[in-house]
Amino acid sequence: NAGVTQTPKFQVLKTGQSMTLQCAQDMNHNSMYWYRQDPGMGLRLIYYSASEGTTDKGEVPNGYNVSRLNKREFSLRLESAAPSQTSVYFCASSEIRGQRETQYFGPGTRLLVL
Amino acid sequence: KQEVTQIPAALSVPEGENLVLNCSFTDSAIYNLQWFRQDPGKGLTSLLLIQSSQREQTSGRLNASLDKSSGRSTLYIAASQPGDSATYLCAVSGTGNQFYFGTGTSLTVIP
Repeated sequence: NAGVTQTPKFQVLKTGQSMTLQCAQDMNHNSMYWYRQDPGMGLRLIYYSASEGTTDKGEVPNGYNVSRLNKREFSLRLESAAPSQTSVYFCASSEIRGQRETQYFGPGTRLLVL
Repeated sequence: KQEVTQIPAALSVPEGENLVLNCSFTDSAIYNLQWFRQDPGKGLTSLLLIQSSQREQTSGRLNASLDKSSGRSTLYIAASQPGDSATYLCAVSGTGNQFYFGTGTSLTVIP
């Protein structure tokens, strides 16, 4: 049981390049999330998916797109990277039992845009 | 929009001390409050989750309390150890599948 996995762990991009961050979970969770973490800003929600086939914008969606490929996988795409997207990106999935929702996080992807 | 604040931003204590970390939120209409630990360069590990109907949760040396009406939660760590050194984050969830995070308290426990 690997939990939430993310690839790659590190990436350096030039401004304007594109890339896709991959996330997978093996806990059979319906909900999945993408966050970015910046110093002094805490974690901010980029996009989330409440179930397979659905996605919704979070607090900071501009410059990103997502795909919920199946129940296990939720990818985040940067079409034209900008230096402002330099950040640490975390994927999470959540287990919901009634009103009790517990989030589980991946190890993160550290992205540097030059 | 929900705002979550954690004070202090950093805390340094000698080993063995009991300590309290604070989390406050502006909208009391929450479902859950979750405390996480984050080690440098790592992801977040869930420590405790309190549902809105609960007042506290305990796990080992950790005790989290929730006062929804005043918009506050505390994480109490008993008999702190150097291995407790990490950043502690709280997050609240409400309607709409969204979690809101504080910026964290960086804890250093000095041997």
